[in-house]
Amino acid sequence: SAVISQKPSRDICQRGTSLTIQCQVDSQVTMMFWYRQQPGQSLTLIATANQGSEATYESGFVIDKFPISRPNLTFSTLTVSNMSPEDSSIYLCSVGGTGAYEQYFGPGTRLTVT
Amino acid sequence: AQKVTQAQTEISVVEKEDVTLDCVYETRDTTYYLFWYKQPPSGELVFLIRRNSFDEQNEISGRYSWNFQKSTSSFNFTITASQVVDSAVYFCALTKGTSGSRLTFGEGTQLTVNP
Repeated sequence: SAVISQKPSRDICQRGTSLTIQCQVDSQVTMMFWYRQQPGQSLTLIATANQGSEATYESGFVIDKFPISRPNLTFSTLTVSNMSPEDSSIYLCSVGGTGAYEQYFGPGTRLTVT
Repeated sequence: AQKVTQAQTEISVVEKEDVTLDCVYETRDTTYYLFWYKQPPSGELVFLIRRNSFDEQNEISGRYSWNFQKSTSSFNFTITASQVVDSAVYFCALTKGTSGSRLTFGEGTQLTVNP
């Protein structure tokens, strides 16, 4: 399985600001996914990020709020823009690939917005 | 549309007890995959098992075992002789049989194993 790291591991931010979360994988992967896990809740997919194309967003998530970059096959960023306390969550990236039906997750970024 | 239901929100057991976590799923796909993930207090999701829709054999890995029954659309997870380190949130998930498809997660079951 791939080794995935995320930065930062946690942050406390003020409302109205933006935070960019980085996801680094130790091998080349086709697909990367970004999930949000609100306190005490399950995981919700924000978007799927393929290298060389625009990210595909799930219903309820928009690019202006959660812009994503995928510059190469080992790296992606998720930005949480104009944050409000409702954005306080754990944000996780995961990777999948051709022939791999399971997804492996990074350690997550715990975001608190005050 | 796919759906995963974990009816047990919280389970509390005493160490060495056996415990079963229930998972019921809904899908219209004939080919699909089911998963279990563990999320300890640290927050990281740990992949435990994958099962495809054509393989109904039960699987055992150490103290863990999984029972997949297509007739009841269930994929239950049993921990034998539970330990305190098993305390975590456990998620059941489902995806269609196309690589790279999105995962649909259940709501999770918080398992607490008391000494």
